Amino acid sequence: AIQMTQSPSSLSASVGDRVTITCRASQGIRNNLGWYQQKPGKAPDLLIYSASSLQSGVPSRFSGSGSGTDFTLSISSLQPEDFATYYCLQDYSYPYTFGQGTKLEIK
Amino acid sequence: QVQLVQSGAEVKKPGASVKVSCRPSGYTFTGYYLHWVRQVPGQGLEWMGWINPNSGDTNFAQKFQGRVTMTGDTSISTAYMELSRLRSDDTAVYYCARLVGYSGERRFDYWGQGTLVTVSS
Repeated sequence: AIQMTQSPSSLSASVGDRVTITCRASQGIRNNLGWYQQKPGKAPDLLIYSASSLQSGVPSRFSGSGSGTDFTLSISSLQPEDFATYYCLQDYSYPYTFGQGTKLEIK
Repeated sequence: QVQLVQSGAEVKKPGASVKVSCRPSGYTFTGYYLHWVRQVPGQGLEWMGWINPNSGDTNFAQKFQGRVTMTGDTSISTAYMELSRLRSDDTAVYYCARLVGYSGERRFDYWGQGTLVTVSS
C-alpha cells in the first residue's frame, strides 16, 4: 500500500497568516491526490482534487500543487472558519490511503 | 441537490455484525461508485472499499477482507456496508462518499453525515 506522510501533524497560526501543509507519497502517484477539510463532528469536505484543481465553491485562498511524490496545500490568508483538520488522500491505487492529518489551530 | 443520508447510530456487542445504510438522492444511484471510509474517534480517516451500484462489483481494503460486505439495492437506491465479527477497535464513525471523475481527476465530492458504531460488551 502507498503510504502518505503528512506534515506537520499540528500547526498554530493566526488569522491572516499563510500556511502550507505537505504530503509525501511513498511512491509516485502522478497527480492523483486530493485535500479534504474536516471540522469536529462533521464529514470531510473536498477542497482540492487532481493535486491542484479547486473544487467548485471553495474559496480561492486554498491552493494545491505537486506531482509524483510531493504535494502541498496552501492557504493564503487564514480565515476563522479555516481552523480545522486537513487530510490528503491518494486515489492512484488501491487501497486508497489518507495522510494522518494536520490539525490547524488558532495561535 | 445531492445528499447522502446514512442510518443512525448503532451499539453492538463484540462478535456481532452491523449493517449501515447510505441512501443517496439528487442523482442517479447507479451512476457513481460509493466508497466507505471510517474514522476511529480522535483518529484519522481510513478507506474501507467501494461498491459499483450498477454492477454490484466491490473492492475492499485487505484489512477488511472476509469481514466486510458491501451491497446495493437499486429498487430503493440504497447502499449498505456490513461489518461482521465486530471488535472494540471497530468503534468508529463510518462514512459513505460518492466518487466522481476518472483517473487523474477523481474525488469524493459528497459524503454522508456519518454513522457512529460503538462496539462494547
